[in-house]
Amino acid sequence: AQKVTQAQTEISVVEKEDVTLDCVYETRDTTYYLFWYKQPPSGELVFLIRRNSFDEQNEISGRYSWNFQKSTSSFNFTITASQVVDSAVYFCALSFGNEKLTFGTGTRLTIIP
Amino acid sequence: NAGVTQTPKFQVLKTGQSMTLQCAQDMNHEYMSWYRQDPGMGLRLIHYSVGAGITDQGEVPNGYNVSRSTTEDFPLRLLSAAPSQTSVYFCASSRDRGLYNEQFFGPGTRLTVL
Repeated sequence: AQKVTQAQTEISVVEKEDVTLDCVYETRDTTYYLFWYKQPPSGELVFLIRRNSFDEQNEISGRYSWNFQKSTSSFNFTITASQVVDSAVYFCALSFGNEKLTFGTGTRLTIIP
Repeated sequence: NAGVTQTPKFQVLKTGQSMTLQCAQDMNHEYMSWYRQDPGMGLRLIHYSVGAGITDQGEVPNGYNVSRSTTEDFPLRLLSAAPSQTSVYFCASSRDRGLYNEQFFGPGTRLTVL
């Protein structure tokens, strides 16, 4: 069965701390894509990153970085030097053979000023 | 471009009433979908469409109907509203069908069924 697990329901950190959001997935497919979306307090969903199953290279974009490890079926997201604007709910998602997007339950991140 | 638009933003219904949530996109995207977001459950796919005239069921389709007569519009109909349908509904679109496409989401409709 295809599944995305975000075990951390809520995380709070003090501003400027680093924080890692965990994402573990299950799929039998060899070709799949992983995504992260951000949902700020305003409610809209914003695309952050996409990764395909054949590319395990880590990615960095400013203060954001993503670590994809097929060996542990994980696609973790790290925010370095967190800021109050990073406060949001973050969703990890998996797209596989039937082309439907399966979301995790989300992690609510609160950055304390 | 307006992107993906949804109306209304908020709606309160009584049990048994019917209504249609509107969704439109101006990006000429082939793929459109509806999700519901409930606390602790993430987003779950209700229905999706890979092009005009083609729709299919997602994970939680019961109680909802969709149609896709044009590329731009993908309305979601609640046939007989139930309290279990209280949720936030998001419409999304992507360029075409495929594993790799990012989804563009609308602002959401918050629905309460009394």
